Amino acid sequence: AIRMTQSPSSFSASTGDRVTITCRAGQGISSHLAWYQQKPGKAPKLLIFGASTLQDGVPSRFSGSGSGTDFTLTISCLQSEDFATYYCQQYHSYPITFGQGTRLEIK
Amino acid sequence: EVQLLESGGGLVQPGGSLRLSCAVSGFTFSTYAMGWVRQAPGKGLEWVSSIGSGGESTYYADSVKGRFTISRDNSKNTLYLQMDSLRAEDTAVYYCAKDLWELRVNNWFDPWGQGTLVIVSS
Repeated sequence: AIRMTQSPSSFSASTGDRVTITCRAGQGISSHLAWYQQKPGKAPKLLIFGASTLQDGVPSRFSGSGSGTDFTLTISCLQSEDFATYYCQQYHSYPITFGQGTRLEIK
Repeated sequence: EVQLLESGGGLVQPGGSLRLSCAVSGFTFSTYAMGWVRQAPGKGLEWVSSIGSGGESTYYADSVKGRFTISRDNSKNTLYLQMDSLRAEDTAVYYCAKDLWELRVNNWFDPWGQGTLVIVSS
């Protein structure tokens, strides 16, 4: 199975900050990567697929980049509703695997 | 509006069985692959299984292979997960999720249902 490692596991930031979350794959996955946002008690929501394609309705302050083994999710200007847990997911090969999650908290 | 509604969760003893259902509406169910993803209490997301639009292709995580069976009834717009030989480590919220694009199995999921809780305990 392809191991997905996110960093950091958690961190604090303030509204208006620019934040970057990193996801590293244990082997090359081309651009077969998705990012999800999950708020407490809610189902995950797809933000980005194909490493950099924004899902419909997702604010443009979210962006994704990378290919191969190293990927990033950037939020350009944090809003209060962005404080949540973020997961990367590879769909390059089975079994499908997720990163362990990055919890973004309010400073 | 696309809606996915899971049901069938509950408390079951180790070694027991449960069948989860996911009733969908708001899209042409028969043209989309579907998946199940679970989340143990306080833990991250774990992919469980996916199925092609016609039900002909199925895929499983190693942790459930041979114990869980994914299926679908396109005439009833319903996805299923038959779970046998349940273990304590299967305790989780189980989400059904729709593949984003039609026809092929892409395994990027949107939207997801609200989840159904399965507790395996004696």
